[in-house]
Amino acid sequence: AQKITQTQPGMFVQEKEAVTLDCTYDTSDPSYGLFWYKQPSSGEMIFLIYQGSYDQQNATEGRYSLNFQKARKSANLVISASQLGDSAMYFCAMREGQGGGADGLTFGKGTHLIIQP
Amino acid sequence: DAMVIQNPRYQVTQFGKPVTLSCSQTLNHNVMYWYQQKSSQAPKLLFHYYDKDFNNEADTPDNFQSRRPNTSFCFLDIRSPGLGDAAMYLCATSRETTLRDEQYFGPGTRLTVT
Repeated sequence: AQKITQTQPGMFVQEKEAVTLDCTYDTSDPSYGLFWYKQPSSGEMIFLIYQGSYDQQNATEGRYSLNFQKARKSANLVISASQLGDSAMYFCAMREGQGGGADGLTFGKGTHLIIQP
Repeated sequence: DAMVIQNPRYQVTQFGKPVTLSCSQTLNHNVMYWYQQKSSQAPKLLFHYYDKDFNNEADTPDNFQSRRPNTSFCFLDIRSPGLGDAAMYLCATSRETTLRDEQYFGPGTRLTVT
Protein backbone atom coordinates (compact mmCIF):
# COMPACT_ATOMS: atom_id res chain seq x y z
CA ALA A 1 0.00 0.00 0.00
CA GLN A 2 1.18 3.48 -0.78
CA LYS A 3 2.30 5.44 2.23
CA ILE A 4 1.75 8.84 0.62
CA THR A 5 -1.07 9.45 -1.83
CA GLN A 6 -1.43 12.57 -3.93
CA THR A 7 -4.56 12.21 -6.02
CA GLN A 8 -4.11 15.26 -8.25
CA PRO A 9 -1.56 14.58 -11.00
CA GLY A 10 -2.03 18.09 -12.38
CA MET A 11 -3.82 21.32 -11.57
CA PHE A 12 -4.43 24.57 -13.40
CA VAL A 13 -5.13 27.61 -11.23
CA GLN A 14 -5.63 31.28 -12.03
CA GLU A 15 -3.04 33.66 -10.68
CA LYS A 16 -3.94 35.20 -7.30
CA GLU A 17 -6.34 32.40 -6.43
CA ALA A 18 -5.77 30.10 -3.48
CA VAL A 19 -4.97 26.49 -4.25
CA THR A 20 -5.17 23.32 -2.17
CA LEU A 21 -2.97 20.35 -2.95
CA ASP A 22 -4.18 17.09 -1.46
CA CYS A 23 -2.09 14.58 0.46
CA THR A 24 -3.14 11.55 2.47
CA TYR A 25 -0.76 9.26 4.30
CA ASP A 26 -0.68 5.86 5.88
CA THR A 27 1.35 4.93 8.93
CA SER A 28 0.92 2.97 12.13
CA ASP A 29 3.73 4.86 13.85
CA PRO A 30 2.41 7.48 16.30
CA SER A 31 5.50 9.63 15.65
CA TYR A 32 5.88 11.00 12.17
CA GLY A 33 6.63 14.18 10.30
CA LEU A 34 5.03 15.46 7.13
CA PHE A 35 6.83 17.68 4.63
CA TRP A 36 5.94 19.52 1.47
CA TYR A 37 8.58 20.20 -1.16
CA LYS A 38 8.43 22.21 -4.38
CA GLN A 39 10.40 21.04 -7.40
CA PRO A 40 10.68 23.57 -10.25
CA SER A 41 11.72 22.47 -13.71
CA SER A 42 15.35 23.09 -12.72
CA GLY A 43 15.14 19.96 -10.53
CA GLU A 44 16.08 21.19 -7.08
CA MET A 45 13.72 20.20 -4.26
CA ILE A 46 12.81 23.20 -2.14
CA PHE A 47 11.45 22.71 1.38
CA LEU A 48 8.18 24.52 2.01
CA ILE A 49 6.61 23.44 5.28
CA TYR A 50 6.69 20.82 8.04
CA GLN A 51 4.02 19.35 10.32
CA GLY A 52 4.79 17.00 13.20
CA SER A 53 2.29 14.38 14.28
CA TYR A 54 2.18 15.82 17.79
CA ASP A 55 1.99 19.45 16.76
CA GLN A 56 -1.16 21.02 18.15
CA GLN A 57 -1.49 23.73 15.55
CA ASN A 58 -1.46 23.66 11.77
CA ALA A 59 1.86 24.78 10.34
CA THR A 60 2.15 28.04 8.43
CA GLU A 61 5.05 29.56 6.49
CA GLY A 62 4.27 32.78 4.68
CA ARG A 63 1.81 32.00 1.88
CA TYR A 64 1.94 28.29 2.68
CA SER A 65 -0.22 26.60 5.27
CA LEU A 66 -0.86 22.99 6.05
CA ASN A 67 -4.38 21.74 6.72
CA PHE A 68 -3.54 18.84 9.03
CA GLN A 69 -6.41 16.50 9.83
CA LYS A 70 -4.85 13.73 11.87
CA ALA A 71 -7.91 11.52 12.23
CA ARG A 72 -8.37 11.53 8.47
CA LYS A 73 -4.63 11.16 7.88
CA SER A 74 -4.54 14.09 5.54
CA ALA A 75 -2.05 16.94 5.24
CA ASN A 76 -3.17 19.24 2.46
CA LEU A 77 -1.01 22.16 1.39
CA VAL A 78 -2.75 25.49 0.90
CA ILE A 79 -1.06 28.20 -1.14
CA SER A 80 -2.71 31.58 -0.78
CA ALA A 81 -2.61 34.25 -3.48
CA SER A 82 -0.88 32.07 -6.05
CA GLN A 83 1.86 33.55 -8.25
CA LEU A 84 3.24 32.56 -11.63
CA GLY A 85 6.43 31.45 -9.90
CA ASP A 86 4.47 28.85 -7.97
CA SER A 87 4.23 26.71 -11.11
CA ALA A 88 6.14 23.53 -10.26
CA MET A 89 5.81 19.94 -9.06
CA TYR A 90 4.77 19.66 -5.44
CA PHE A 91 5.62 16.62 -3.37
CA CYS A 92 4.20 15.53 -0.06
CA ALA A 93 6.58 13.40 2.00
CA MET A 94 6.65 11.60 5.32
CA ARG A 95 9.28 10.56 7.79
CA GLU A 96 8.38 7.96 10.41
CA GLY A 97 9.81 7.74 13.88
CA GLN A 98 10.12 3.94 13.93
CA GLY A 99 10.67 4.08 17.64
CA GLY A 100 14.07 5.67 17.39
CA GLY A 101 16.04 7.59 14.80
CA ALA A 102 14.19 8.64 11.72
CA ASP A 103 15.52 7.91 8.24
CA GLY A 104 14.83 9.18 4.78
CA LEU A 105 11.66 10.59 3.31
CA THR A 106 8.91 8.65 1.59
CA PHE A 107 7.48 10.79 -1.19
CA GLY A 108 4.13 10.85 -2.94
CA LYS A 109 3.96 10.94 -6.73
CA GLY A 110 3.51 14.67 -6.82
CA THR A 111 1.11 17.23 -8.22
CA HIS A 112 2.07 19.34 -11.20
CA LEU A 113 0.71 22.82 -10.50
CA ILE A 114 0.42 25.35 -13.31
CA ILE A 115 -0.52 28.93 -12.50
CA GLN A 116 -2.17 30.74 -15.37
CA PRO A 117 -2.06 34.54 -15.80
CA ASP B 1 25.80 30.52 -1.05
CA ALA B 2 25.63 27.04 -2.55
CA MET B 3 24.86 24.54 0.19
CA VAL B 4 24.49 21.17 -1.50
CA ILE B 5 26.43 20.87 -4.71
CA GLN B 6 26.15 18.07 -7.22
CA ASN B 7 28.52 17.45 -10.08
CA PRO B 8 28.06 17.05 -12.88
CA ARG B 9 24.52 18.32 -13.50
CA TYR B 10 24.24 16.11 -16.56
CA GLN B 11 26.06 12.83 -17.07
CA VAL B 12 25.98 10.52 -20.04
CA THR B 13 27.40 7.04 -19.71
CA GLN B 14 27.38 3.90 -21.78
CA PHE B 15 25.54 0.74 -20.90
CA GLY B 16 27.71 -1.23 -18.47
CA LYS B 17 30.34 1.50 -18.02
CA PRO B 18 30.89 2.43 -14.37
CA VAL B 19 29.94 5.96 -13.43
CA THR B 20 30.38 8.07 -10.29
CA LEU B 21 28.20 10.97 -9.24
CA SER B 22 29.41 13.37 -6.63
CA CYS B 23 27.82 15.48 -3.92
CA SER B 24 29.37 17.97 -1.55
CA GLN B 25 27.91 20.12 1.22
CA THR B 26 28.96 23.26 3.05
CA LEU B 27 26.42 22.82 5.87
CA ASN B 28 28.50 20.44 8.01
CA HIS B 29 25.46 18.19 8.32
CA ASN B 30 25.80 14.73 9.79
CA VAL B 31 23.49 12.97 7.36
CA MET B 32 23.75 12.63 3.60
CA TYR B 33 21.17 10.89 1.40
CA TRP B 34 20.94 9.67 -2.17
CA TYR B 35 17.58 9.51 -3.93
CA GLN B 36 16.74 8.22 -7.39
CA GLN B 37 13.96 9.99 -9.28
CA LYS B 38 12.83 8.45 -12.55
CA SER B 39 10.86 10.50 -15.02
CA SER B 40 7.46 11.60 -13.66
CA GLN B 41 7.94 9.55 -10.49
CA ALA B 42 8.51 10.26 -6.83
CA PRO B 43 12.08 10.35 -5.50
CA LYS B 44 13.06 7.03 -3.98
CA LEU B 45 15.62 6.72 -1.20
CA LEU B 46 18.61 4.56 -2.13
CA PHE B 47 20.74 4.89 1.02
CA HIS B 48 22.02 7.35 3.56
CA TYR B 49 25.02 7.96 5.77
CA TYR B 50 24.90 9.13 9.34
CA ASP B 51 28.47 10.34 9.69
CA LYS B 52 30.36 7.25 8.51
CA ASP B 53 27.57 4.79 9.26
CA PHE B 54 26.07 3.51 6.03
CA ASN B 55 22.36 2.61 5.82
CA ASN B 56 21.16 0.82 2.73
CA GLU B 57 17.50 0.57 1.78
CA ALA B 58 16.38 -3.05 1.47
CA ASP B 59 15.40 -2.78 -2.18
CA THR B 60 18.41 -0.81 -3.44
CA PRO B 61 20.12 -2.90 -6.12
CA ASP B 62 23.67 -4.13 -5.44
CA ASN B 63 24.71 -2.26 -8.56
CA PHE B 64 24.54 0.94 -6.52
CA GLN B 65 27.28 1.70 -4.03
CA SER B 66 28.21 4.76 -2.05
CA ARG B 67 31.25 6.27 -0.36
CA ARG B 68 31.59 9.07 2.14
CA PRO B 69 35.28 9.82 2.63
CA ASN B 70 34.63 12.82 4.88
CA THR B 71 31.79 14.97 6.22
CA SER B 72 31.61 17.15 3.14
CA PHE B 73 31.60 14.65 0.31
CA CYS B 74 29.50 11.69 -0.71
CA PHE B 75 29.71 9.66 -3.92
CA LEU B 76 27.25 7.43 -5.72
CA ASP B 77 28.86 4.68 -7.78
CA ILE B 78 26.88 2.73 -10.33
CA ARG B 79 28.99 -0.27 -11.18
CA SER B 80 27.27 -1.42 -14.37
CA PRO B 81 24.57 1.03 -15.44
CA GLY B 82 21.61 -0.35 -17.28
CA LEU B 83 19.07 1.53 -19.35
CA GLY B 84 16.70 1.39 -16.39
CA ASP B 85 19.12 3.39 -14.27
CA ALA B 86 18.56 6.52 -16.33
CA ALA B 87 17.14 8.99 -13.84
CA MET B 88 17.70 12.14 -11.84
CA TYR B 89 19.88 11.45 -8.82
CA LEU B 90 19.29 13.77 -5.90
CA CYS B 91 21.65 14.25 -3.00
CA ALA B 92 20.28 15.66 0.26
CA THR B 93 21.62 16.46 3.71
CA SER B 94 20.15 16.97 7.14
CA ARG B 95 21.66 18.08 10.40
CA GLU B 96 20.33 15.10 12.31
CA THR B 97 17.76 12.36 11.82
CA THR B 98 15.03 13.65 14.11
CA LEU B 99 11.57 13.83 12.63
CA ARG B 100 11.58 17.55 12.02
CA ASP B 101 15.07 17.79 10.56
CA GLU B 102 14.58 19.31 7.15
CA GLN B 103 16.45 17.79 4.25
CA TYR B 104 18.35 20.16 1.98
CA PHE B 105 18.56 18.99 -1.60
CA GLY B 106 21.10 19.61 -4.29
CA PRO B 107 20.10 20.43 -7.86
CA GLY B 108 20.46 16.81 -8.95
CA THR B 109 22.44 14.98 -11.61
CA ARG B 110 20.51 13.78 -14.62
CA LEU B 111 22.00 10.50 -15.79
CA THR B 112 21.52 9.24 -19.33
CA VAL B 113 22.54 5.71 -20.25
CA THR B 114 23.18 5.02 -23.94
